[in-house]
Amino acid sequence: GDSVTQTEGLVTVTEGLPVKLNCTYQTTYLTIAFFWYVQYLNEAPQVLLRSSTDNKRTEHQGFHATLHKSSSSFHLQKSSAQLSDSALYYCALSGNSGTYQRFGTGTKLQVVP
Amino acid sequence: GALVYQYPRRTICKSGTSMRMECQAVGFQATSVAWYRQSPQKTFELIALSTVNSAIKYEQNFTQEKFPISHPNLSFSSMTVLNAYLEDRGLYLCGASGGVEVFFGKGTRLTVV
Repeated sequence: GDSVTQTEGLVTVTEGLPVKLNCTYQTTYLTIAFFWYVQYLNEAPQVLLRSSTDNKRTEHQGFHATLHKSSSSFHLQKSSAQLSDSALYYCALSGNSGTYQRFGTGTKLQVVP
Repeated sequence: GALVYQYPRRTICKSGTSMRMECQAVGFQATSVAWYRQSPQKTFELIALSTVNSAIKYEQNFTQEKFPISHPNLSFSSMTVLNAYLEDRGLYLCGASGGVEVFFGKGTRLTVV
């Protein structure tokens, strides 16, 4: 089986400061891809980042993440949080040759002035 | 490009009645369709994975008797919530895949009254 763990339910950060959302995983699949999704209020989740290459940094919209298979992690980071970044963030693992996603429990990011 | 249309976007049903939601893949062949539910304040739970020419696989806590799924061809899938009650409310998401990446619809929000 597989599972995705996001340890923080809520992260509050001041605008302009760096933010890090944690994501670790367990999987029995050999070929896997990882995603970060962002979900705004009353909307479906949207892909923010994806990666399947070990130790390669992936960036989009100021966010970045690096898949580390040695530590089974895919943490999301941003150097300077913006008020508009406030949303729900889900880490997800693509299972069974990309036929479905296994989502983590989600982290609510609150950026405050 | 690959798109997934999901409808209805929102629906309200009376407690004890049933409602059907549909998922249409455009621009690719959806060999697999996964259905998810996001209950209020919760993450996206995988309900079941349907792969063409294979039996539909339901996750623990979800059954065919409650959530029957149809996947008749490579572009369409539907799921019915039978005997809907308050605990069935939430955002239902379909994710269609041709085996490389999962594409999500915008979800069907179910309210039970």
